[in-house]
Amino acid sequence: EPEVTQTPSHQVTQMGQEVILRCVPISNHLYFYWYRQILGQKVEFLVSFYNNEISEKSEIFDDQFSVERPDGSNFTLKIRSTKLEDSAMYFCASSEVRNTEAFFGQGTRLTVV
Amino acid sequence: QKEVEQNSGPLSVPEGAIASLNCTYSDRVSQSFFWYRQYSGKSPELIMSIYSNGDKEDGRFTAQLNKASQYVSLLIRDSQPSDSATYLCAVNPEDFGNEKLTFGTGTRLTIIP
Repeated sequence: EPEVTQTPSHQVTQMGQEVILRCVPISNHLYFYWYRQILGQKVEFLVSFYNNEISEKSEIFDDQFSVERPDGSNFTLKIRSTKLEDSAMYFCASSEVRNTEAFFGQGTRLTVV
Repeated sequence: QKEVEQNSGPLSVPEGAIASLNCTYSDRVSQSFFWYRQYSGKSPELIMSIYSNGDKEDGRFTAQLNKASQYVSLLIRDSQPSDSATYLCAVNPEDFGNEKLTFGTGTRLTIIP
């Protein structure tokens, strides 16, 4: 069964460092998303991406964040200068059609120390 | 602020009984509704989607939607210990350029053997 895959599963980084989280969406899906979940809190939307550009972003997604689809399969989230409060689970998701079922990857646990 | 409200629980249900999970949402233009299951430390797993008023059944799961009351529910029949998880209600509006899922905080369900 097709699935969204994310790497790494866990990343520890020092405050101020740059991190890149990687995702391979389901192959025939056209819409890609990043969400995050701080421990004990709700899942929060960060950004959606379609046709090689950002289609929507939340107020969390400030200038420290960027997304890219560097090739036909990967979708990345970059955090330029990590802060302690960026520590969270980051989930990539994809959907075939807009506003329909979104399937989530297993997540990357980011710990900023 | 578009909100999705769920009773955080915990909701305890005996094995074999029916578990009933409820969700209300504030945005009247919402058109797509989803239930995700999330085990502790894992990613959200899609279990049901519903787009029109009424009931939708899939195996032991039934989703119910009432747009007039802005209410969506999930029934789990013949509850099993493996159903113990947090259930997330997620809502997606239909308006163009707004593709994000808004999640509730989740209801923690415990099935008692």
